[in-house]
Amino acid sequence: GENVEQHPSTLSVQEGDSAVIKCTYSDSASNYFPWYKQELGKRPQLIIDIRSNVGEKKDQRIAVTLNKTAKHFSLHITETQPEDSAVYFCAATLSGYSTLTFGKGTMLLVSP
Amino acid sequence: NAGVTQTPKFQVLKTGQSMTLQCAQDMNHNSMYWYRQDPGMGLRLIYYSASEGTTDKGEVPNGYNVSRLNKREFSLRLESAAPSQTSVYFCASSPLPGQSNYGYTFGSGTRLTVV
Repeated sequence: GENVEQHPSTLSVQEGDSAVIKCTYSDSASNYFPWYKQELGKRPQLIIDIRSNVGEKKDQRIAVTLNKTAKHFSLHITETQPEDSAVYFCAATLSGYSTLTFGKGTMLLVSP
Repeated sequence: NAGVTQTPKFQVLKTGQSMTLQCAQDMNHNSMYWYRQDPGMGLRLIYYSASEGTTDKGEVPNGYNVSRLNKREFSLRLESAAPSQTSVYFCASSPLPGQSNYGYTFGSGTRLTVV
């Protein structure tokens, strides 16, 4: 089955810096890659997703890039703010045929 | 529109006790899932139901059973709770594959402690 590796496990940045979280997946057939944000004590919430027919997707300060050849995808957060502090999970699936497989998460800490 | 509703939010069980975690969604989603979240382990799939009338094992099904009661409701049962089942449990749902938004919607979670 699919295996998703996520790095780093923790990431500390200063407010205003950029943050990058990277994930690799094992199943070359996977075609849907969502990212979830989980604030302390809350539920995971979808923040952005990308499909395999697209190389990059942006939504205001967040962007996701996908390299199908290398089987890795990344989350980029620019101009980080303290409210970006949370655990971020990447995931992968063959849309319609299997369930989401999640990475182990990255705890992002943004210091004022 | 409540999304995905889980009950209870907190529960303490003694080893060997049984309980059922309830989950309901009002988004007309076909698929529903149960995950457990443990520190450093991410979200691990326990069971899922791709559509009403079907259920399948996930990565960590041992010690659990599920029931897809109808399209809206998907319950998770612990028949004989063990300390290793201390965790935060999340229910989630998703629309039909191929729809524009395939992302999961999660419930607020159940924090279960087995002593």
